[in-house]
This record gives sequence, structure tokens and C-alpha cells, in this order.
Amino acid sequence: KQEVTQIPAALSVPEGENLVLNCSFTDSAIYNLQWFRQDPGKGLTSLLLIQSSQREQTSGRLNASLDKSSGRSTLYIAASQPGDSATYLCAVEGVTGGGNKLTFGTGTQLKVEL
Amino acid sequence: GAGVSQSPSNKVTEKGKDVELRCDPISGHTALYWYRQSLGQGLEFLIYFQGNSAPDKSGLPSDRFSAERTGGSVSTLTIQRTQQEDSAVYLCASSLRPMPLQFGSGTRLTVV
Repeated sequence: KQEVTQIPAALSVPEGENLVLNCSFTDSAIYNLQWFRQDPGKGLTSLLLIQSSQREQTSGRLNASLDKSSGRSTLYIAASQPGDSATYLCAVEGVTGGGNKLTFGTGTQLKVEL
Repeated sequence: GAGVSQSPSNKVTEKGKDVELRCDPISGHTALYWYRQSLGQGLEFLIYFQGNSAPDKSGLPSDRFSAERTGGSVSTLTIQRTQQEDSAVYLCASSLRPMPLQFGSGTRLTVV
């Protein structure tokens, strides 16, 4: 059974700081890994999707890497802003047991302070 | 519509009553997913549809939960004889592979 872990569970940083969020998964047989953002009381917004054959994806100030063999992904946020405050979730889409099911981590709650 | 639409946005129901939650996916998206998010918990997979069929129902918590999808579009998640532990935010998502999932804003269900 796939298990996804995110560290840290919560993070508070001053505005402008670069930061890294970590995600690990137990089963490396995956189609892809996705990073989402969730604002309080809202649904999830897709940030980046990395296919299993890829090593990283970039969008603006966000960069996500994937090391499938070690079961790890990182989300790098450059020059953080208060508007980045949200919960960040990673999810993996598994190859086995229903290939289109995303297994989510419990998230990292980020607060960027002025 | 522009995104995944869920209704109602909030539902308060008495224990033992049945509830229906609705999801309108993005037009043309063949895959549709239901997830549940309990307070302080991660997202729990419930069911996945490809077209009108559900190849993976493994996440439905009990036989009180059922879901259907008609016309390859709208989906309804039904919870019978609701219990307090059913209180959660129910999220629907749709996708057209290989694009990422697009989520709705969810239905917050409170069973009193």
C-alpha cells in the first residue's frame, strides 16, 4: 500500500526567504507525482505535475524535483510571498491497484510572514 | 463551465438521514474522482470513474456509500443513514489524461 509522507507538517518563514518542502513515498511504481495548494475552505489547485520519466518541473517561482528510485520529491519556492501561505499537498498516482488513484500526503502548512 | 462545480457547498443533516452530493466535472473530462477530507486528516480516496464505469470502488468506507455517474458527466455521491463520522469535506475532481486533476471547492457535510 502506497504511503506518502510530508515534512515538515508546518512551516513559518519571513517574506523573501527561499524554502523547500519535502515529500516521500514508499512505492516507486508511480505514473506521476503532483503538487497541489489548498487555501482554507477551498478546493485544491494543481501546481506542478511530474511524469515518472521526468526529473523536475518549473512554473514561475516554483520548482519540483522527483527522484523516483529513492521515493522523494521536493518543492522549492523562491522568494516567498505572503500570498504563498497555504497548505501544500503532494500526491502520487500509482501504477498498481487502480492506476488512476492519487494517494495524498497530509500536507505542509506554510505561513509566510511580512 | 470553467471548473469543477460541486453542490451544495454546505450541508447540515441529522444523523440517520440520507444525503446526495453532486459533482459537475469540466466538460470533456473523462475521469472523475471523489475524495474525502476530514478535519486535520489527509485526503482519502473514495471512488474513481472512467466514463460511466467505476473501475476502482476500493475507497468507499461502507455499503452506506454509493456513487454513480451518468452520461459521462454529472456524478452523485449518496450517503445513506448518515453517521457523525461521515462529517467531512467531500471533494470531486476531474481530468483528461495526462493533464493534472482539477478539483472543485467541495461540499462540507456536517452530521448532527
